[in-house]
Amino acid sequence: AQSVTQLDSQVPVFEEAPVELRCNYSSSVSVYLFWYVQYPNQGLQLLLKYLSGSTLVKGINGFEAEFNKSQTSFHLRKPSVHISDTAEYFCAVSAGNTGGFKTIFGAGTRLFVKA
Amino acid sequence: DTAVSQTPKYLVTQMGNDKSIKCEQNLGHDTMYWYKQDSKKFLKIMFSYNNKELIINETVPNRFSPKSPDKAHLNLHINSLELGDSAVYFCASSQVSYTDTQYFGPGTRLTVL
Repeated sequence: AQSVTQLDSQVPVFEEAPVELRCNYSSSVSVYLFWYVQYPNQGLQLLLKYLSGSTLVKGINGFEAEFNKSQTSFHLRKPSVHISDTAEYFCAVSAGNTGGFKTIFGAGTRLFVKA
Repeated sequence: DTAVSQTPKYLVTQMGNDKSIKCEQNLGHDTMYWYKQDSKKFLKIMFSYNNKELIINETVPNRFSPKSPDKAHLNLHINSLELGDSAVYFCASSQVSYTDTQYFGPGTRLTVL
């Protein structure tokens, strides 16, 4: 079975500062990794995903993430955040098995960008 | 056009009542899901349907019954509502593969009094 751990429940940061949101996963099979963002009172939307190939993945709104297989991590980064990036960020892992596939979400990290 | 829509957006009801939440997607996807998000934002899969067939059924009380009349719709009926059912319920859809992006609806905030 797979699992996802988001190491920080809240990350406060000043506008224009860099940010890293940490995600670690565990799985006994090959996984596919996702970051979703949830703005207040909205559903989740995809920021980026890693399926294969280059371990550095670029997403929307200037975010990127790096897949590190040896450290089983998929940390999300942005070099300069804006007030509008304030939201809940979810790391997710998908893996298939004989019972079908399942996507497991982490507990979320609240990014709070201060002026 | 809204890709994944849910109705109602808010639902306030008394304990013991029965209620339904409807979900529709116009993306042509084969797979639809119901998730429950609790007050701490934790998101947990409840059900998944592929082409109207149930493929994932997590440990959910049998008071919750999903119904998929066609592959574009997945409704959630809840019997005998309890206080602990209060949460935001999200519908989502994707193509079959687990490498595919899930598209989420705006959520239904259910409050049980």
